[in-house]
Parts: sequence; structure tokens; C-alpha cells
Amino acid sequence: NAGVTQTPKFQVLKTGQSMTLQCAQDMNHNSMYWYRQDPGMGLRLIYYSASEGTTDKGEVPNGYNVSRLNKREFSLRLESAAPSQTSVYFCASSEMVWTGGDEQYFGPGTRLTVT
Amino acid sequence: ELKVEQNPLFLSMQEGKNYTIYCNYSTTSDRLYWYRQDPGKSLESLFVLLSNGAVKQEGRLMASLDTKARLSTLHITAAVHDLSATYFCAVDPLVRETSGSRLTFGEGTQLTVNP
Repeated sequence: NAGVTQTPKFQVLKTGQSMTLQCAQDMNHNSMYWYRQDPGMGLRLIYYSASEGTTDKGEVPNGYNVSRLNKREFSLRLESAAPSQTSVYFCASSEMVWTGGDEQYFGPGTRLTVT
Repeated sequence: ELKVEQNPLFLSMQEGKNYTIYCNYSTTSDRLYWYRQDPGKSLESLFVLLSNGAVKQEGRLMASLDTKARLSTLHITAAVHDLSATYFCAVDPLVRETSGSRLTFGEGTQLTVNP
């Protein structure tokens, strides 16, 4: 199993350009998430999808849109990139287990620079 | 708004020594997660703590949860260089029966173990 995969690994954009970050998981998890990590900080939730067909805003959704394409795939779109969106983006997935835990599994990350 | 605070943020210790990282959070929760992140890498799940008094141990690391004090600790015993990494705690404040945890992360504790 590949777990959670993300593409691309690295990307440089100019201000105003758009792009989509792709994420896929092969663990049959219901929930998927997008986070950003800025230097010296923890992760902040951008958007999440509790199950196929639903999406909700997280802590920092402005400037982003998401699509839950199917159970496996969850994409993040930057419509008009800004330098403040320079960050490392992580996708994660989870599934509630019988004990009540909802452990998230993370992808390798996408390093995005906006100039 | 849920706040999660870790301390210390930076920790330099010698091999063989013991130390504790603290994670305080501001709202009621009985779901707390610890993750490890190596430089330039993704997050790896270490522990899932799901109830008051929960204690988990793996190798030289032991995590505990006190929901009444809103405090989790990550204790390092006889540190070795391989433990050098950044450690994050994350709190899920919601009580749900289905997947879709909304984690709030601490800033992370950057641990350096010196020979």
C-alpha cells in the first residue's frame, strides 16, 4: 500500500497563477484533510472532508478551494496564488476505529513557493 | 477557540538523559495525538491517547494524558541521537461517532540529542 500520496512534490508559482494540488489515499479512509505548515509552526487545517460528498472549512480556508473527487482523492486548488501561500502543504486521511480513535495518516507534502 | 501549547519549544539534551515535553490545551478533550516529524519529512504518528489516565509506551518514549488538567506529557528516557526530531501534540475537541477529526496542533518541540 502506498498510503497517502501527493503531487507535485515541489512547485514554484508566480503571483496570480493558479494550480491544483492532488492527493490520493489507498487505505479506504472516509475522511481526508488539507493542512499547511509554515516555518516554526504546527500544522493548520485548511479544509477537510469527513466523507465522500462533503467538505468543510478549517482554520485557514481563505484563498483555497477543495474538491472531493471520490473516496480516494481530495484536491486543493489555489485560484490566484499569493506570496502568503508559500508553505508546505500536507494531505492526510483517517478512519474512525472502534476504540474511538481517528488517527490521521499524512502524505509526503508539497513544497510551494509563490514569488 | 482551542489553543494547544507545547513547552519547551526547543530542547537540547545529552544522550542518556531523561526529559519531558508538555502539551497543554484549553478546552475539554479526551482525544490527543502525538506525532514526530524529521526535517523535511512528513508527520509520523507516535501515540493515540483516548481517555483520562491513558498511558502509552514505545521504546524510549512514553505518553500520558490527564484530561482534568488538560495536559499531556511525552517522556523521553535515556535519549539517543535517533530521537532528534520535532514532536507535535494535536488535540481533537469534538465528540463524534464518525470520522472527521479537526485537529489543532501545538507549535512543536524541536528536540536535539547530542552525543
